[in-house]
Amino acid sequence: AQTVTQSQPEMSVQEAETVTLSCTYDTSENNYYLFWYKQPPSRQMILVIRQEAYKQQNATENRFSVNFQKAAKSFSLKISDSQLGDTAMYFCALRGSNYKLTFGKGTLLTVNP
Amino acid sequence: AAGVIQSPRHLIKEKRETATLKCYPIPRHDTVYWYQQGPGQDPQFLISFYEKMQSDKGSIPDRFSAQQFSDYHSELNMSSLELGDSALYFCASSSPRNTEAFFGQGTRLTVV
Repeated sequence: AQTVTQSQPEMSVQEAETVTLSCTYDTSENNYYLFWYKQPPSRQMILVIRQEAYKQQNATENRFSVNFQKAAKSFSLKISDSQLGDTAMYFCALRGSNYKLTFGKGTLLTVNP
Repeated sequence: AAGVIQSPRHLIKEKRETATLKCYPIPRHDTVYWYQQGPGQDPQFLISFYEKMQSDKGSIPDRFSAQQFSDYHSELNMSSLELGDSALYFCASSSPRNTEAFFGQGTRLTVV
């Protein structure tokens, strides 16, 4: 069974500052993928960033980067230069060989002006 | 670029009624997933289809059924609706070339 744990139900950050969202996971598989999805008030699920487990290099997408620690089964998301539009629920998700996604409970991020 | 299309976007049904949700995947995507997201909850996997065959099953009630058609669109049929079925239902699609699933905008089902 796969599990994903997000231990921070809510976080807040000031505009232009940096924030890190935590995620740990558990899986018995060697080949898997990790994702961060953003869900704004519109409830649309938007892919923020992906990481292949076999890649050691941390993924980066503009202001978003991850710290992937495979041995520790940790996958945190760093948002730099936070913007008001980053306010959303952020879900960490794991995809194994069966292709389905297992989500964490989510972290509600609020960016304050 | 074409995205995953779900219809309807909003649906209101009474208890014990039946609802049908439709999902049109991105062209050339052969895999469809259905997720249920209750209020304040994370999305829960219901069922998936690959090449028109059920590929995996999650926490889908027996009152629900789904299928994928020859044109790869999928329908989620929900019968004997209960108040607890009120949720946002997401469809997502992918292909073997993709590492991620692409989500539709969801269907918000309200059971009254």
